[in-house]
Amino acid sequence: DTAVSQTPKYLVTQMGNDKSIKCEQNLGHDTMYWYKQDSKKFLKIMFSYNNKELIINETVPNRFSPKSPDKAHLNLHINSLELGDSAVYFCASSQGHGDAYEQYFGPGTRLTVT
Amino acid sequence: KNQVEQSPQSLIILEGKNCTLQCNYTVSPFSNLRWYKQDTGRGPVSLTIMTFSENTKSNGRYTATLDADTKQSSLHITASQLSDSASYICVVSAEGTSGTYKYIFGTGTRLKVLA
Repeated sequence: DTAVSQTPKYLVTQMGNDKSIKCEQNLGHDTMYWYKQDSKKFLKIMFSYNNKELIINETVPNRFSPKSPDKAHLNLHINSLELGDSAVYFCASSQGHGDAYEQYFGPGTRLTVT
Repeated sequence: KNQVEQSPQSLIILEGKNCTLQCNYTVSPFSNLRWYKQDTGRGPVSLTIMTFSENTKSNGRYTATLDADTKQSSLHITASQLSDSASYICVVSAEGTSGTYKYIFGTGTRLKVLA
């Protein structure tokens, strides 16, 4: 049973393209997140959604647009991809909104922009 | 400025040995501190979560300590196993406005356990 799943696992694309990464959780959680991990393995939160509503947006460029069709899904759409967008993107979920809740991470999507 | 610093950056130990990883933070207002384990090519997995009032918390062979006065935390691994080879990430959360939180991540300690 996969708790938090992401597709695709690898994504190679050219600058200027638009791409999406999908995330699904089957844990019945209310809150979902997107994180970016750069080449130095530094993790940074991008977005947090609670019950399909945006809670956290950490000054991410508006080329990045999260979409939550329902509580179990939080997809990440990226427009006009740039070289600096190359990173591993992790989706996560937690039972509730608030830092006392444990977060469960997906396996990551490695995005390479050429 | 909210910061989380971890040391050492990397560590190599022999199987069966103990080790301690350090996390120093300057985050305010402090809400809680987490330790994650991240295997290569995988997402982070939570080991412990500690609030201001907790000094120590264990999860199997992992024991985390927190000194809120000195703003330091440590993760002690007992009787290391090959499967402990991973990156260990310290994350401190700060309470913001309207029930929001800021999550400040350390850059991690990369641990390698040798047979």
